[in-house]
Amino acid sequence: DSGVTQTPKHLITATGQRVTLRCSPRSGDLSVYWYQQSLDQGLQFLIQYYNGEERAKGNILERFSAQQFPDLHSELNLSSLELGDSALYFCASSATGNTIYFGEGSWLTVV
Amino acid sequence: GIQVEQSPPDLILQEGANSTLRCNFSDSVNNLQWFHQNPWGQLINLFYIPSGTKQNGRLSATTVATERYSLLYISSSQTTDSGVYFCAVSGGGADGLTFGKGTHLIIQP
Repeated sequence: DSGVTQTPKHLITATGQRVTLRCSPRSGDLSVYWYQQSLDQGLQFLIQYYNGEERAKGNILERFSAQQFPDLHSELNLSSLELGDSALYFCASSATGNTIYFGEGSWLTVV
Repeated sequence: GIQVEQSPPDLILQEGANSTLRCNFSDSVNNLQWFHQNPWGQLINLFYIPSGTKQNGRLSATTVATERYSLLYISSSQTTDSGVYFCAVSGGGADGLTFGKGTHLIIQP
């Protein structure tokens, strides 16, 4: 158990819909990262937050957004979903930016 | 951005065998991690190793930063070692990890 908690574990939704994925980082970790894993793109960095502020942006689509709240939990919002958005979405956290710990992921299926 | 290449892409071994997985990266890094993704999709940290050598049980890793590669050694393989091994790096600043495509390891009993 990495200490990073993600919900929901599995989600099936229709094209055009919007979903929110939730992440609780390890206790005390200020950095939260979101990653997407798909068969064709592999593991891709989406976005990083540090203590509530956006720190770095990767390959995140404009239809996706994220935020980190004062209690340090984070949410990734995915809107206008397309079939190609089906993927495993990981949240990760870190205290120092060195070792990064991943949650178990949220499996999203868009039908 | 930094490019990460892992080899071999696939590896099938018998239980008890040893293996070496390689990760080449295209630029200087200040973070390099090895992960194991098990058949259930969980990504498990193995090593944080931007330079030097570390050992943890049957696993060890070496990163030669000046030559831009890292090696992961697995000795006396067990079936539970099966899965995909990823190398991930970042070059510094506010940056997420860039992952390689992974090495898919199958350990047969």
